[in-house]
Amino acid sequence: QQQVKQSPQSLIVQKGGISIINCAYENTAFDYFPWYQQFPGKGPALLIAIRPDVSEKKEGRFTISFNKSAKQFSLHIMDSQPGDSATYFCAAGVRGGNTPLVFGKGTRLSVIA
Amino acid sequence: KAGVTQTPRYLIKTRGQQVTLSCSPISGHRSVSWYQQTPGQGLQFLFEYFSETQRNKGNFPGRFSGRQFSNSRSEMNVSTLELGDSALYLCASSRGLAGGTGNEQFFGPGTRLTVL
Repeated sequence: QQQVKQSPQSLIVQKGGISIINCAYENTAFDYFPWYQQFPGKGPALLIAIRPDVSEKKEGRFTISFNKSAKQFSLHIMDSQPGDSATYFCAAGVRGGNTPLVFGKGTRLSVIA
Repeated sequence: KAGVTQTPRYLIKTRGQQVTLSCSPISGHRSVSWYQQTPGQGLQFLFEYFSETQRNKGNFPGRFSGRQFSNSRSEMNVSTLELGDSALYLCASSRGLAGGTGNEQFFGPGTRLTVL
């Protein structure tokens, strides 16, 4: 019940294309869904987060879509750039912090020119 | 504002030894969480400390332990090292217990531990 399943494991996208990463969860108590971006040699950095009371959140080229009934959420990177090449992690947690964030296993994105 | 710092950045140890890793959170952050990152397993939660008390614990053996000091700095210790402990150990800090707006986690660069 605590798992967050992330797919795909790896993704290759042409420059200018759309990168889509999907996550699914089981625990209906989760109400906080952040995405992290990690470059080699660095720690993960918070990219964007969503709460279940909204279906979509956009920040620049990054959009989170959230489907509460399906218990799924996804990250879309529009106009993907080589600089977006990194590993992306979705996570789920409960606001209030009594339970730790649960992370997906990550998606390695490569954007090729 | 300085970010989360972790020391050392790299460590090489042999089986059976013990190791202590250190984490200094962002100023004003009172919660520190530790994660183990390995290829294919993603980030596995170890434990979270808030106000010097362990608030959450992941599914790791008792060889993994931690503590937090009154200045919010934290250390984690791994005793009797095994080859499988080779990983990147990440520390993350947040204002309060991790989760939600206002309590976002900010990660340090990690300590790369290699056990030979």
